[in-house]
Amino acid sequence: LAKTTQPISMDSYEGQEVNITCSHNNIATNDYITWYQQFPSQGPRFIIQGYKTKVTNEVASLFIPADRKSSTLSLPRVSLSDTAVYYCLVGGKLIFGQGTELSVKP
Amino acid sequence: DGGITQSPKYLFRKEGQNVTLSCEQNLNHDAMYWYRQDPGQGLRLIYYSQIVNDFQKGDIAEGYSVSREKKESFPLTVTSAQKNPTAFYLCASSIAELVHTDTQYFGPGTRLTVL
Repeated sequence: LAKTTQPISMDSYEGQEVNITCSHNNIATNDYITWYQQFPSQGPRFIIQGYKTKVTNEVASLFIPADRKSSTLSLPRVSLSDTAVYYCLVGGKLIFGQGTELSVKP
Repeated sequence: DGGITQSPKYLFRKEGQNVTLSCEQNLNHDAMYWYRQDPGQGLRLIYYSQIVNDFQKGDIAEGYSVSREKKESFPLTVTSAQKNPTAFYLCASSIAELVHTDTQYFGPGTRLTVL
């Protein structure tokens, strides 16, 4: 199974760009990379998904290098409401690791 | 509105009692899942079902049981055999047609406390 590794926590300030990197060295050829966001006492929600290069939506960007062994979720100009846990998943694997707890400060 | 509902939001039970958590979806998804989340931890898979009348154990199925008699419903029973049932329980569903791009949609969760 493709295992993912993320930083346990990150701190940022309002208005900054935040980049969260996920390592997935054993990613399979057909696997997509998906990121979820979870607020306390709520279920995770889908943020973005990609296969290679760059994907952008209204919430975030996802950067995936050519070897696909890692990916970076980029949150532009974060606000206090972006404080949450962010999970990186590979393929359809039902493996949510500990995620990255992002804390945004004023 | 389409989505996943879980009930109740908060649930208290006495030690030694079985309790059933409800999960309903109207997204017409084939696959449904149950996760458990402990404080400060990630989600751990309890059971999942890819089609009606079929389900598979996840990583921590001991002490839990499920049924999938209808496409829309996937109830989870926490039995008295579950040694430490106090946790936040999350239900999810997905289309599951394309495994490598499958995206899960989560319900609001049920917080179970054993007294």
